[in-house]
Amino acid sequence: DTAVSQTPKYLVTQMGNDKSIKCEQNLGHDTMYWYKQDSKKFLKIMFSYNNKELIINETVPNRFSPKSPDKAHLNLHINSLELGDSAVYFCASSHGGVSNQPQHFGDGTRLSIL
Amino acid sequence: GDSVTQMEGPVTLSEEAFLTINCTYTATGYPSLFWYVQYPGEGLQLLLKATKADDKGSNKGFEATYRKETTSFHLEKGSVQVSDSAVYFCALSSGAGSYQLTFGKGTKLSVIP
Repeated sequence: DTAVSQTPKYLVTQMGNDKSIKCEQNLGHDTMYWYKQDSKKFLKIMFSYNNKELIINETVPNRFSPKSPDKAHLNLHINSLELGDSAVYFCASSHGGVSNQPQHFGDGTRLSIL
Repeated sequence: GDSVTQMEGPVTLSEEAFLTINCTYTATGYPSLFWYVQYPGEGLQLLLKATKADDKGSNKGFEATYRKETTSFHLEKGSVQVSDSAVYFCALSSGAGSYQLTFGKGTKLSVIP
């Protein structure tokens, strides 16, 4: 009964490839997020979707494209992977638009670019 | 813009020592404040939260009080255990219609027996 699940947990690939990370939540939340955590553990928001609509799109290269087929899913597709994309990517969900609601995180996808 | 500053780590303590991790923030409006914990190899888990001034959040022996006058939300625990070893993140969400958390840089805590 995992609340926020993302796959794969580990992703090792070569520079220039295209890859996707999937995220699903079963909490009934209407807002989902992607965060990037760098090697120093710093967390930065990448995207936020509310009811399948893009709300936040931070200064992320356009090689990164989120897709939300429904409120329970938010996938992240990355084109032409670069060395600097190596990081841990976290998906999260919440009842959006209300500041006192916490976000629930998945276990992360560790992306390593060779 | 919003920002969160928390003390640099790593912090190493002996079991049963007292823990304080400082966190101060800058935000517009009246933010909600959170502490998240990340155990090795896992995602972030909500540890505690406070949504208005003078609120005290508490969980698992940890507590933090929302201090509007000093814009702070310091995390404390009276007696740490080895199992508390993790990275701790202070975060804020500012106002209704906010769709993101702003995180501090994280503080790694190691507790030794």
